[in-house]
Amino acid sequence: GQNIDQPTEMTATEGAIVQINCTYQTSGFNGLFWYQQHAGEAPTFLSYNVLDGLEEKGRFSSFLSRSKGYSYLLLKELQMKDSASYLCAVRPSNTGTASKLTFGTGTRLQVTL
Amino acid sequence: GAVVSQHPSWVICKSGTSVKIECRSLDFQATTMFWYRQFPKQSLMLMATSNEGSKATYEQGVEKDKFLINHASLTLSTLTVTSAHPEDSSFYICSASEYPDLYSNQPQHFGDGTRLSIL
Repeated sequence: GQNIDQPTEMTATEGAIVQINCTYQTSGFNGLFWYQQHAGEAPTFLSYNVLDGLEEKGRFSSFLSRSKGYSYLLLKELQMKDSASYLCAVRPSNTGTASKLTFGTGTRLQVTL
Repeated sequence: GAVVSQHPSWVICKSGTSVKIECRSLDFQATTMFWYRQFPKQSLMLMATSNEGSKATYEQGVEKDKFLINHASLTLSTLTVTSAHPEDSSFYICSASEYPDLYSNQPQHFGDGTRLSIL
């Protein structure tokens, strides 16, 4: 089966750094995606990792350790607009459908003044 | 960039009505599209994989006769919620990938979602 865990909620202060963790146990692995979703809106793509290590994209970075089944999303210089849900999604390798994703429960981040 | 359009964005209807939701890839061809359902404060749950020219693949627990999927062209998939009831009220989102290859780093692009409310 597929199991992806994230903290349910997090709170951080504007200007700070926050790390959102994701652990997964899936039938095979072929990539991990992070998405941002504001309330009532569709998810938007943030980052993709398939090899171990850190991928940096502006204020957002994502890290992957395949041996540990672990990823994190790092948000720097937090802004109020970063208040949203952050979804971790894994693409297993034996889905039969190439790009099928399994989503984690999502982490609701609240940025405060 | 790849754009996915979903219509309508909001539907309110009476119990027993059938509702059709459209998902279009505007600037690319999508042989595969995905349909998700999301309840408040929960994550996305994959309902089915829509395949152009063939039958959809449904996830366990999803009634295929309840949620009819048609993928008649490379740019359009439709989800019809038949005889909808209040428990079907949810946020329905479609997605598509321009390059659905297993090893592609291209993400799925999501439509704006359809908020369905059954009275």
